[in-house]
Amino acid sequence: NAGVTQTPKFRILKIGQSMTLQCTQDMNHNYMYWYRQDPGMGLKLIYYSVGAGITDKGEVPNGYNVSRSTTEDFPLRLELAAPSQTSVYFCASRTQGAGELFFGEGSRLTVL
Amino acid sequence: QKEVEQNSGPLSVPEGAIASLNCTYSDRGSQSFFWYRQYSGKSPELIMFIYSNGDKEDGRFTAQLNKASQYVSLLIRDSQPSDSATYLCAVGNTGNQFYFGTGTSLTVIP
Repeated sequence: NAGVTQTPKFRILKIGQSMTLQCTQDMNHNYMYWYRQDPGMGLKLIYYSVGAGITDKGEVPNGYNVSRSTTEDFPLRLELAAPSQTSVYFCASRTQGAGELFFGEGSRLTVL
Repeated sequence: QKEVEQNSGPLSVPEGAIASLNCTYSDRGSQSFFWYRQYSGKSPELIMFIYSNGDKEDGRFTAQLNKASQYVSLLIRDSQPSDSATYLCAVGNTGNQFYFGTGTSLTVIP
């Protein structure tokens, strides 16, 4: 099992550009999450999903969009990138009933 | 806003000592509590979870939960240099959301 896979690992964007961070998991987990982590800070919840076709906002959803068309995939879309979106983004998943979050390796995004 | 607060540290302890990490949370509806360890440049990994009031021990680690005081702690006994990392407290609610504190940086000095 690969677990949770995120791509790309690193990306530099110019202000105003758009991009999609990909996240896929092969553990058949219903629940998936996107977090961002700024330097020296904890993780902030952006969006989460409890199953295919269902998504909901977290603490810091502005400037982002998500979709969940399959159980495996949970892409995060950044529209009109801004320097404030410079961060490390983590995708995580968990199975129903269990609390442990399984994290991907992270995607480091810089907006210049 | 569901707040989870931790002392940011840094916390330094000598090798072999007990490290004590603390966390408070604001949402009284919180149901599940976790401690994650994060090495620099890596993703978080689960150390302990606790759901009920009291203590839970796993090897050198003990998690303590007091729901009345909205307080959860992690004790690391016989601290090792390999324990040097940032420790993140996470709290889960009934809405399937998990909120993290800012983390406490721990350094174990050989």
